[in-house]
Formats: sequence, C-alpha cells, structure tokens
Amino acid sequence: AQTVTQSQPEMSVQEAETVTLSCTYDTSESNYYLFWYKQPPSRQMILVIRQEAYKQQNATENRFSVNFQKAAKSFSLKISDSQLGDTAMYFCAFTTVAGGTSYGKLTFGQGTILTVHP
Amino acid sequence: DAGVIQSPRHEVTEMGQEVTLRCKPISGHNSLFWYRQTMMRGLELLIYFNNNVPIDDSGMPEDRFSAKMPNASFSTLKIQPSEPRDSAVYFCASRRDRGSEAFFGQGTRLTVV
Repeated sequence: AQTVTQSQPEMSVQEAETVTLSCTYDTSESNYYLFWYKQPPSRQMILVIRQEAYKQQNATENRFSVNFQKAAKSFSLKISDSQLGDTAMYFCAFTTVAGGTSYGKLTFGQGTILTVHP
Repeated sequence: DAGVIQSPRHEVTEMGQEVTLRCKPISGHNSLFWYRQTMMRGLELLIYFNNNVPIDDSGMPEDRFSAKMPNASFSTLKIQPSEPRDSAVYFCASRRDRGSEAFFGQGTRLTVV
C-alpha cells in the first residue's frame, strides 16, 4: 500500500526564521514523484514544490527547498525567511509513475498546520 | 484556462436527500481525482479516473457514494442517501500526466443536517 505520513500536526515559527516540515512515505515502487502543497485559509490548494525520485538533486523554489532522502523514504520541506503569508496547512503528496497496484494514484499526508508569528 | 471548476460551492441538504457534486477538469488533462477533506480524516482520496476510466475507487466510503466520468470534460460525485457524517469539503483535481502538478478546484462545502 502507498502511504504518506506527516508526524507534525502543528508547527509554529517566528517571521524571518526557518522551519522544516517532515514527511515520510512508503512504497515499493522505484519511480515516483513527491509534492508539497499549501492550503491557506482560502481553502485553495497550491503547489509549493515538486521532486522527481530519480533526480538526486533536491528541488528548490525561492525560499522553499526539500531534503529528499530516497533510501530513508523521507521528504522534508524547509521554508527559509518565513513570512506571514506562509501561514497555511501544508500537505505532502506522492504519486507513482507507471505500473504497480497504485498506478498513478495521488496520495496525501494528514497535513501540518504552520503558523508564522510576527 | 479557467482552472478546475466545481459546483456548487456550498450545499446544505437534509439527511436522506440525494446530493450531486460536479466537476469540470482542465482541458487536456487525463487524470481526475475526487477528495474529501475533514478535520478528523484530513484529505482522503475517494476515487481516481484516468482517461475517463475509474482506476481506483477503494476510497469510496460505501455504496451510498458513486462517481462517474462520462467524458473528458465532466465528472460527478453522487451521495444517495446523504447522512450528517458526509458533511465535509469535497475537492476535485485534475492533472495532465502522472508526474505533473494536480490542479484543484475551489471545493464544495457540503453540510448534511
């Protein structure tokens, strides 16, 4: 079965500081993609960053970067220089690319509520 | 493109009534997902279509729930009969291919009283 686990229900950080959100996943597939999505109070789901499993280099998008450890099946999100607008629920997600019983299924973790304090 | 369009945005219905949620995916996208979001269970995948064919419906809670995708531009999620525990936000999402970003609609907030 394909599972995604976010062990931190809530996190908080001071504005301008750095925070890391954790995510682990379980799969028997070798080729897959990982994502972090943000859901602000508006309820809209917004893609933050995407990582291809066969790429060893960690993805980076401005203040957002990931630490992808394939052997450990870990995919954490680091937010640098936190801003008030980063306050949101963050979801880690996983999808396989080809074959397998979870063929293309997009599975989300339980989410982490991040609050950025002024 | 207008993005993924869901209707209605809000639905309040009485227990026992039939509820139909609608979704128009982004043109050219070949995968469509229905999710349910609650405080207790987070974001649950209900069903996943690829090229209009249901690939995985293992997340559909029970027989009261059904989903269809008659063509590439339209999908429905139906609950019959509805129950108070079905109250949640229901999201539809679509994506172009398996490695690409999934785009979400604004969600339908369903309240069953």
